[in-house]
Amino acid sequence: SAVISQKPSRDICQRGTSLTIQCQVDSQVTMMFWYRQQPGQSLTLIATANQGSEATYESGFVIDKFPISRPNLTFSTLTVSNMSPEDSSIYLCSVRSGGGMVYEQYFGPGTRLTVT
Amino acid sequence: KNQVEQSPQSLIILEGKNCTLQCNYTVSPFSNLRWYKQDTGRGPVSLTIMTFSENTKSNGRYTATLDADTKQSSLHITASQLSDSASYICVVSASGPTDSWGKLQFGAGTQVVVTP
Repeated sequence: SAVISQKPSRDICQRGTSLTIQCQVDSQVTMMFWYRQQPGQSLTLIATANQGSEATYESGFVIDKFPISRPNLTFSTLTVSNMSPEDSSIYLCSVRSGGGMVYEQYFGPGTRLTVT
Repeated sequence: KNQVEQSPQSLIILEGKNCTLQCNYTVSPFSNLRWYKQDTGRGPVSLTIMTFSENTKSNGRYTATLDADTKQSSLHITASQLSDSASYICVVSASGPTDSWGKLQFGAGTQVVVTP
């Protein structure tokens, strides 16, 4: 299994500012993911971050708005840039463990962001 | 349109009673289906993973069923406890080769409240 921690757990930010969210895993993993969960909605994949390569962003998400770093196999950061109230959401880090199609996917506790 | 639909959106049950949550999906070609439990303020935690060839899987008081022909799954909670109060999320993964290969498609979740 993988244990994931995130910092901060929550924050209240002013519009126009940026927040960097940290994700730490207790084991080395190749694939890390960043998700957004808006109130009452499904989790939405923002991007996939593999160590040693540029992050791959999903449709509707761009690097300028959500820059990601992946300096090693246990750590990643997601920055939410130039925030607006629409960015208020829970941001979750996730990692994949195991091979084939029946892998385990673990989630961090999330970072609850409120933009005022 | 979301490829994973869950019902009901929410339900309230008395402690000790049983309940069943439903999940319908259109994800194709199908690879596997997962049920996650998400407590308030926490990340999702895996309950079960089922592949095409499996039609039932249990994890303690949680039993998941899968009908790949009708593309339906259910999660049955037996003898509910107060700690079962959470959101239960159905997640489906597609097999390749498609643009959705390996990506998790999330339902919006069913919010379960267990009352004393």
